[in-house]
Amino acid sequence: SYELTQPPSVSVSPGQTASFTCSGDKLGDKYVCWYQQRSGQSPVLVIYQDSKRPSGIPDRFSGSNSGNTATLTITGTQAMDEADYYCQAWDSSTGVFGGGTKLTVL
Amino acid sequence: EVQLVESGGGLVQPGRSLRLSCVASGFTLDNYAMHWVRQAPGKGLEWVSGISWNSGSIAYAASVKGRFTISRDNAKNSLYLQMNSLRVEDTAMYYCVKDNGSYLDYHGMDVWGQGTTVTVSS
Repeated sequence: SYELTQPPSVSVSPGQTASFTCSGDKLGDKYVCWYQQRSGQSPVLVIYQDSKRPSGIPDRFSGSNSGNTATLTITGTQAMDEADYYCQAWDSSTGVFGGGTKLTVL
Repeated sequence: EVQLVESGGGLVQPGRSLRLSCVASGFTLDNYAMHWVRQAPGKGLEWVSGISWNSGSIAYAASVKGRFTISRDNAKNSLYLQMNSLRVEDTAMYYCVKDNGSYLDYHGMDVWGQGTTVTVSS
């Protein structure tokens, strides 16, 4: 079965740039989505089709995908961005999530 | 307001069955694919099952295939998950999720319910 790998944690200071990686075999051939889940809340879609932002998502969120790695970047990280971030892709119509990365804003 | 409300969770013994329901409001369900995603306590997200807008395409995670059945009733703006032969490892919060496309392909999951808790224990 297809697997997506994410580092367990990332830490940044407010105002800095946070980067999240998601790795999978030939991931660049697939579309990747990213979800934010704040503590105790339901997930929120922040990026779809590699780099598109849904309505209402700030433009400090951006995404890219190439080769075996997709990346979510938060520019000018704010305290409210502290959350778990999950990447997700489709493999033969089956959804696959990465294990998630916890963002700590120091 | 676009909203998904799940129901049907609860405490059930291993080997028994449970049926989850999800009612949509604020949008018409029949234009979109729908999914169930679960999250075990303290763990990450796991996609469980998805169904295309017209039920023509259905898929399951390997962990539930043969035990769970997804269905929808567009006339009732509702999504269902029939869960049979439940196991302790099925214990999780189950989210009903709207896709922003019609098929099980490359779109994102853009509306999530608050979830319903399923606990499988003797």
